[in-house]
Amino acid sequence: DAGVTQSPTHLIKTRGQQVTLRCSPKSGHDTVSWYQQALGQGPQFIFQYYEEEERQRGNFPDRFSGHQFPNYSSELNVNALLLGDSALYLCFSPLHFGNGTRLTVT
Amino acid sequence: GQNIDQPTEMTATEGAIVQINCTYQTSGFNGLFWYQQHAGEAPTFLSYNVLDGLEEKGRFSSFLSRSKGYSYLLLKELQMKDSASYLCAVIDSNYQLIWGAGTKLIIKP
Repeated sequence: DAGVTQSPTHLIKTRGQQVTLRCSPKSGHDTVSWYQQALGQGPQFIFQYYEEEERQRGNFPDRFSGHQFPNYSSELNVNALLLGDSALYLCFSPLHFGNGTRLTVT
Repeated sequence: GQNIDQPTEMTATEGAIVQINCTYQTSGFNGLFWYQQHAGEAPTFLSYNVLDGLEEKGRFSSFLSRSKGYSYLLLKELQMKDSASYLCAVIDSNYQLIWGAGTKLIIKP
């Protein structure tokens, strides 16, 4: 058990809706990164949070936003969902991924 | 730009040995990871190389040559459960992880 937990496991939304995904890193780990993984592709970096601030950001539109709380847990928010946002969303905290959230946009 | 290249798919026989190659061109280098990902699941950590040479961990070994921008993952005594995708990732100079698209390994009896 790598200790990184994500919720929910699966989610179905319709185009235009908004979604919030959650991640809790292993105790004591203060850095959280979010990735999007489409089927058959490697993970694509969305952004990284450290000490409650966004430290780095990948090539994703502003519809993708995040937050990190004082306990180091994190949220990924996606607004105005598009069909192309359907993917596995992974939370990464040094060396280990959470089990991911499978988002389906219809 | 930054690039990680891996073969898309490989096939091997149960009990055999397979080598999955990874070449990279990145802005800086601070280490290379290998992850295993079964279909529908999150990737799981296999190995980390930062110095040249071979790191052995049970049936799995990982090799790195920084001068050649090259790594491989060696899987011995293949088992059916090793059927999965294997992802190579490099930490660049900004300490950002750059991921390959993964190699799908198919094990046949």
